[in-house]
Amino acid sequence: EVQLVESGGGLVKPGGSLRLSCSASGFTFNNYGMAWVRQAPGKGPEWVSSISHSSSFIFYADAVKGRFTASRDNAKNSIYLQMNSLSDGDTAVYYCVRSPSSGVYDVFDNWGQGTMVTVSS
Amino acid sequence: EIVLTQSPDFQSVTLKEKLTITCRASQSIGSRLHWYQQKPDQSPKLLIKFASQSISGVPSRFSGSGSGTDFTLTINGLEAEDAAAYYCHQSDTLPFTFGPGTKVDIK
Repeated sequence: EVQLVESGGGLVKPGGSLRLSCSASGFTFNNYGMAWVRQAPGKGPEWVSSISHSSSFIFYADAVKGRFTASRDNAKNSIYLQMNSLSDGDTAVYYCVRSPSSGVYDVFDNWGQGTMVTVSS
Repeated sequence: EIVLTQSPDFQSVTLKEKLTITCRASQSIGSRLHWYQQKPDQSPKLLIKFASQSISGVPSRFSGSGSGTDFTLTINGLEAEDAAAYYCHQSDTLPFTFGPGTKVDIK
């Protein structure tokens, strides 16, 4: 069974930083592209970043480009999202999601339970 | 950026009714359009991929159709457990985008 478990969320002040982690199991991790998708309270999902299976390709939404950095460690079956210069617009549940291919241009077939990030003074 | 619009925003339906949700893309995306269901306090769940491909474990009452810019999700014979928000998502062009959602309520 595919499992994606996020951690690292919490309350942070504007301008602060946070690092999210996602631990994956139940599939051959280094064969799959992964992504981060966030959902602000009462809103629909918003794509944040995608990373290909070997980290050769990493893409970001304009709203986070230059502030967020996605990475992965295939030896640890994990992906990460380093978030800097956070603002209240970044308040959301952040989901770790899997794409059923090695690249990024694909469906999101499995989602984690999400981790809440709240940016507030 | 490809904008996805959904209609209706909200639909209240009776059990066993047929429901159709539409998703329109601001430019052609072929069949790279996917549908998700999200129940309260849960993560989104994939329902249909690439416009019309079914997903293992998803009830057969859910079906999808369309290509280019116009897509539909159909629920044939609504059940109580189908009360949820439904979102479309395109994976054709970066940035990947989602529709604003359709909330379905059971009368």
